[in-house]
Amino acid sequence: AQSVTQLGSHVSVSEGALVLLRCNYSSSVPPYLFWYVQYPNQGLQLLLKYTSAATLVKGINGFEAEFKKSETSFHLTKPSAHMSDAAEYFCAVYMNAGGGADGLTFGKGTHLIIQP
Amino acid sequence: DTGVSQNPRHKITKRGQNVTFRCDPISEHNRLYWYRQTLGQGPEFLTYFQNEAQLEKSRLLSDRFSAERPKGSFSTLEIQRTEQGDSAMYLCASSLAGDTGELFFGEGSRLTVL
Repeated sequence: AQSVTQLGSHVSVSEGALVLLRCNYSSSVPPYLFWYVQYPNQGLQLLLKYTSAATLVKGINGFEAEFKKSETSFHLTKPSAHMSDAAEYFCAVYMNAGGGADGLTFGKGTHLIIQP
Repeated sequence: DTGVSQNPRHKITKRGQNVTFRCDPISEHNRLYWYRQTLGQGPEFLTYFQNEAQLEKSRLLSDRFSAERPKGSFSTLEIQRTEQGDSAMYLCASSLAGDTGELFFGEGSRLTVL
């Protein structure tokens, strides 16, 4: 079965500092991996996705993530945090690229807090 | 460009009442998913449709939950005899079959059961 684990339910960084949100996956086959962001009282918005092409993936709002098969990780980073980045971030895995029944399996989320 | 639309956005009901949520997916998307999200948790898969066929429903939380997509366009999620534990955000998402798994989410319908 596929799953993702997000390390740290809350991460706090200063404005302008590096953002690092951790995600490890478990999958018996090469996965497709996603990061979504959720602002208060809103739905989820795709930040970026890994679909077996380049291992370093660039997304919106200056975020990027690197797929590391040896570490089964897909950590999300941003060089310089902005106040507007404060939100809930979810890592997700999609195993059956040909049309899996379950869609995406999500982690529990990491709440990103930006200190002024 | 219209995204995924969900109605109502908020629903407050008394325990034991029935509630129904509606989802209108992106028009060209043939897959539609329902998720539930409780406070502090990630979205939890409930069920999904490809066109009008419900291909997975074993994850629906109980037999009080049911979903339909009668014409392969909009979908409804009904919860009968609501309980306080049903209070959550219900998210709808759509996608194209055979795509890389990217889902497009609506803003959700928040249910509060008193």
